[in-house]
Amino acid sequence: GQQVMQIPQYQHVQEGEDFTTYCNSSTTLSNIQWYKQRPGGHPVFLIQLVKSGEVKKQKRLTFQFGEAKKNSSLHITATQTTDVGTYFCLMDSSYKLIFGSGTRLLVRP
Amino acid sequence: DAGITQSPRYKITETGRQVTLMCHQTWSHSYMFWYRQDLGHGLRLIYYSAAADITDKGEVPDGYVVSRSKTENFPLTLESATRSQTSVYFCASSGLGLTDTQYFGPGTRLTVL
Repeated sequence: GQQVMQIPQYQHVQEGEDFTTYCNSSTTLSNIQWYKQRPGGHPVFLIQLVKSGEVKKQKRLTFQFGEAKKNSSLHITATQTTDVGTYFCLMDSSYKLIFGSGTRLLVRP
Repeated sequence: DAGITQSPRYKITETGRQVTLMCHQTWSHSYMFWYRQDLGHGLRLIYYSAAADITDKGEVPDGYVVSRSKTENFPLTLESATRSQTSVYFCASSGLGLTDTQYFGPGTRLTVL
């Protein structure tokens, strides 16, 4: 069956440092979505990637979809305390939806 | 704009009791989903529904029952609650399809003693 992995589980950074989380699938994905969940809150949609090699940017956030459509990354440049939360990927593999286990980002002011 | 709401927000129950968690959305979205979130497991799909009277199992459906008689409501029932069902439950909806953007409710924190 499909195996998925999101790494790292946690990352603690100094404000201003960069942050990256990765999602990997053993099978080809149709698309991937990224969500952010603030502590005590609910997941909120950030972006969806569909095309092989796609790169999208939202201010300090850069999202990439791998050429083989089996992996994706979310990169935050110069983190701020408002970036604190858990970042999840939602992988769609032939209409089977699986969330990654999440990367919890902590930012030291 | 109410969006998507869940009730109750917090629930404590005992092993063996039946519990129903409610989910209501005002967008007339076709798809609705139930997830549970446990530490270290992220979000796991329990059931989803493509439309009224159409439901399908997700990754962890055992011990849960759903129904969808109206587009806007998607209740989740634990017929005989167990301690392993202690979790935070999120309902979500999407308008255009199974793989479209999902909008999440605030969650229900359920504790089974």
